[in-house]
Amino acid sequence: EIVLTQSPGTLSLSPGERATLSCRASQSVRSNYLAWYQQKPGQAPRLLIYGASSRAAGIPDRFSGSGSGTDFTLTISRLEPEDFAVYSCQQYDTSPRLTFGGGTKVEIK
Amino acid sequence: EVQLVESGGGLVKPGGSLRLSCAASGFTFQTFSMNWVRQAPGKGLEWVSSISSSGTYIYYADSVKGRFTISRDNAKNSLYLQMSSLRVEDTAVYYCAGAAGTTMVPYYFLYWGQGTLVTVSS
Repeated sequence: EIVLTQSPGTLSLSPGERATLSCRASQSVRSNYLAWYQQKPGQAPRLLIYGASSRAAGIPDRFSGSGSGTDFTLTISRLEPEDFAVYSCQQYDTSPRLTFGGGTKVEIK
Repeated sequence: EVQLVESGGGLVKPGGSLRLSCAASGFTFQTFSMNWVRQAPGKGLEWVSSISSSGTYIYYADSVKGRFTISRDNAKNSLYLQMSSLRVEDTAVYYCAGAAGTTMVPYYFLYWGQGTLVTVSS
């Protein structure tokens, strides 16, 4: 099983700042089969990124994904008020056994 | 507009059973792999089970194998999860999710419902 470790656990930033979130895999994720989701309190997750760097439909271009192998990054270039949420990564290299990271909370400083 | 609406959650005693349902609309349900993903209180997301578009390929997480059964009815645009021998650790919000992928396996989750809470407690 591929274990995904996200860091930091919590990121305290102000609107307008840049957010950099990390997702590290316990073994190489082939073909960059990695996705990112955003989840707000009481809401379902929303797909942001798939294939490590492809934005899902309707996702603003301030969200970008990068990385390969075992190290992946989600970057939010300039935080908007609606971006404060929990972000989770998910690998599908070992599909159908899909695994998620524990999440990073981006909170208002 | 895509909608996935889960129902059937509630309070159940350890060892009990529960059947979750998910009603889909706004997309071509019969062409998508459908899945259940759960989230325990204050915890991360956990994939539970997947069923291919035709129902041919079915997969379970080790934590629920032998206790949970996933099924779908494409004529009714509905997904189900029969849960038995429930444990305290099965307490979670259960999300119905439509996935992109191949005809055999899911990749990532495009569509999500709002979830239904299952609480297993004596």
